[in-house]
Amino acid sequence: AQSVTQPDIHITVSEGASLELRCNYSYGATPYLFWYVQSPGQGLQLLLKYFSGDTLVQGIKGFEAEFKRSQSSFNLRKPSVHWSDAAEYFCAVGASEYGNKLVFGAGTILRVKS
Amino acid sequence: DTEVTQTPKHLVMGMTNKKSLKCEQHMGHRAMYWYKQKAKKPPELMFVYSYEKLSINESVPSRFSPECPNSSLLNLHLHALQPEDSALYLCASSQTPTGYMTGELFFGEGSRLTVL
Repeated sequence: AQSVTQPDIHITVSEGASLELRCNYSYGATPYLFWYVQSPGQGLQLLLKYFSGDTLVQGIKGFEAEFKRSQSSFNLRKPSVHWSDAAEYFCAVGASEYGNKLVFGAGTILRVKS
Repeated sequence: DTEVTQTPKHLVMGMTNKKSLKCEQHMGHRAMYWYKQKAKKPPELMFVYSYEKLSINESVPSRFSPECPNSSLLNLHLHALQPEDSALYLCASSQTPTGYMTGELFFGEGSRLTVL
């Protein structure tokens, strides 16, 4: 079955440290790939997306993600985390194999300690 | 600031009540969506409206009834809900009708529903 996996339910990093959130998907071709962020009590905000082309994509708030076809991964990174980055992060995949609708991963909750 | 506005932000209702959730966007988007998000879970698509017509119903129970009066407004009418329907209901919009596939969605802050 097609799936989107975010293996880390919670991640805690120190303010100023680097961050990498993992996302793996099972799908044969190149799907549409996304990262969303959800602050407590808020809706989702699109951080970045990958459709094709350069495998390293830049997003808002200083985030970037790299598509690695060989690993079926689309990991989110940020070189220096700020306390305001504490939120839940969802990886999402869109493809015909998923019935042409976005499928979200289970989410990763990021905690930032000062 | 969000450009998709949802009201109310919180709603508590009994199982025999009838209530409605409202969503409004003024970005000229032609597709609007309802998602349901249970605690500690990702959002799940419920309905898609494209050019004010219902194009997708993800097998949602009939106690949820969507309505799109015009291109800027989306309602979700609630009737005879169950406690397990308690969740955050998110409205989203996209410029194109394929936003639910391409992911270029703008979400509101959600309406948190509690069914007693």
